Amino acid sequence: SQQGEEDPQALSIQEGENATMNCSYKTSINNLQWYRQNSGRGLVHLILIRSNEREKHSGRLRVTLDTSKKSSSLLITASRAADTASYFCATGRRGATNKLIFGTGTLLAVQP
Amino acid sequence: DGGITQSPKYLFRKEGQNVTLSCEQNLNHDAMYWYRQDPGQGLRLIYYSQIVNDFQKGDIAEGYSVSREKKESFPLTVTSAQKNPTAFYLCASSSGGVHNEKLFFGSGTQLSVL
Repeated sequence: SQQGEEDPQALSIQEGENATMNCSYKTSINNLQWYRQNSGRGLVHLILIRSNEREKHSGRLRVTLDTSKKSSSLLITASRAADTASYFCATGRRGATNKLIFGTGTLLAVQP
Repeated sequence: DGGITQSPKYLFRKEGQNVTLSCEQNLNHDAMYWYRQDPGQGLRLIYYSQIVNDFQKGDIAEGYSVSREKKESFPLTVTSAQKNPTAFYLCASSSGGVHNEKLFFGSGTQLSVL
């Protein structure tokens, strides 16, 4: 079964609005990562948050991690049409060296 | 430019045929991975290698084989035993270590069955 489950499965917003995606997971983790995938392309790493961190920022991205609830959220502020893509969370489990487990993704469509 | 190169971009397989997907990296990374992605799905780990001449099965290794004879190369063979091979295959690499560091991905190979 997938370690990470993203919510919602699909999200459609207008340019300039904020987009929030959530990820839940089941086991203890070393870190949680977010990736972006444009259609038919490889994934691109966005941000990594470690299990002892609660919030991290990178440009227009803000990631939170709540290990007590085993959940994370990705916020994209002031969205642009170019942000249209699928977004995946991936968890690095404790004791599972170098094995990232990916969720099923959120498809974000930003309407111009 | 440093990166990961996958080839070919599109590949067609006939019944009973083995096909090999290429993955090369010049990032000097120790660890390399193969993932399978089905439409609307997340990525599932097929095989991974943390060092040359060593590799481990992932969650869906049946019907696949790999080799790691060089640090730069991690080819994946989809054998005739894989009855449902149509998928998007992604190769990735990382610097390794025990802390599940970030992955760098290639642009993928779409495999279809004729």
